[in-house]
Amino acid sequence: DVKVTQSSRYLVKRTGEKVFLECVQDMDHENMFWYRQDPGLGLRLIYFSYDVKMKEKGDIPEGYSVSREKKERFSLILESASTNQTSMYLCASSLPQGPPYEQYFGPGTRLTVT
Amino acid sequence: QKEVEQDPGPLSVPEGAIVSLNCTYSNSAFQYFMWYRQYSRKGPELLMYTYSSGNKEDGRFTAQVDKSSKYISLFIRDSQPSDSATYLCAMQGGSEKLVFGKGTKLTVNP
Repeated sequence: DVKVTQSSRYLVKRTGEKVFLECVQDMDHENMFWYRQDPGLGLRLIYFSYDVKMKEKGDIPEGYSVSREKKERFSLILESASTNQTSMYLCASSLPQGPPYEQYFGPGTRLTVT
Repeated sequence: QKEVEQDPGPLSVPEGAIVSLNCTYSNSAFQYFMWYRQYSRKGPELLMYTYSSGNKEDGRFTAQVDKSSKYISLFIRDSQPSDSATYLCAMQGGSEKLVFGKGTKLTVNP
């Protein structure tokens, strides 16, 4: 069974703080993704990585950066958290073989920025 | 026009009803059409996928794709309270990225 874990289920941070969201997958997947999910807006891709140290911007990368030093770990960084970054953050991973490139999701981190 | 459109609902049905969930899309390059199910406070999980046009059945679930109309559907027969979740359509074509609909929240009442 593929397992994608996220470091926190719930997180509360203050405006201006630097925030790290961690994601780990245990199936040796090359591709990893970060999404945010908001009511009425659905899932939106922030960044994805197709290999260690490789990254590509998604649809809404502003205010975020990512780090992938090891294949199994993909981190999302909010350089200076703002209230409009309050959201559910979902990490996913997939094999490069496809199509289809089925994505496996973690349980999500609900981040509140006050 | 958004690449993928999905009515967010919410949709409320009695137990045993047939449920129809739908998405439309605009990108002709999409080849794989997926349905994800997301329970409350959980991440989405793949329910089923279809390649190109046609039908695919898995138990009480049937996925249909009509590429000529750019329209996909998920039917749930004999719906159960355990089917209560948000259903997201997702599409893929030419890359590893998925394009998601906004999701439809379904409640099946006992």
